[in-house]
Amino acid sequence: AQKITQTQPGMFVQEKEAVTLDCTYDTSDQSYGLFWYKQPSSGEMIFLIYQGSYDEQNATEGRYSLNFQKARKSANLVISASQLGDSAMYFCAMREGRGSNYKLTFGKGTLLTVNP
Amino acid sequence: SAVISQKPSRDICQRGTSLTIQCQVDSQVTMMFWYRQQPGQSLTLIATANQGSEATYESGFVIDKFPISRPNLTFSTLTVSNLSPEDSSIYLCSVETLQGGTDTQYFGPGTRLTVL
Repeated sequence: AQKITQTQPGMFVQEKEAVTLDCTYDTSDQSYGLFWYKQPSSGEMIFLIYQGSYDEQNATEGRYSLNFQKARKSANLVISASQLGDSAMYFCAMREGRGSNYKLTFGKGTLLTVNP
Repeated sequence: SAVISQKPSRDICQRGTSLTIQCQVDSQVTMMFWYRQQPGQSLTLIATANQGSEATYESGFVIDKFPISRPNLTFSTLTVSNLSPEDSSIYLCSVETLQGGTDTQYFGPGTRLTVL
């Protein structure tokens, strides 16, 4: 089974509107972390937001928020007030393990296009 | 966050040759990671490099093909050997740092490799 599932290969949103990018995960660990990264066409991976499995509050970073539903094993990214510069690939990733067993597994990504 | 640089940023290589990619971090880190991103795909972990020990390779990746060095806590190299067109990818290094109490992975800008 896939560890990280992003079911939306592509999403479109109008500038200034909000958009939700879906991510579900599969793990038997009690302690894990969930990340979202943005990859523009330049290829760099930009860290956006992190949610720990024990965090009770949903993470927020500026216009980014993470809708964490632990029982459903989902960690959706919400981008508010979309901007043209938000057009990029977005990857959800999960951290499992510690120390030498640390592993970060990525989903297949969602290509977001923001329309003017 | 950590500042990570990679050299070269891109290269075009002939089949059968090798390319060595350098990764430099602006602070000392215990764990460094090397990823491959094939065209249109997500990131796949190649290996984890800890200073002073052999790199740990993921399934499907072997040391003969992807030798890694980690001479100190701020530097690592990845060599892609005996190149074939299938090795054309973006190669990214990343480091794990503690940011606001959270283990976060930050990525370098990547190296775009094209094999002819």
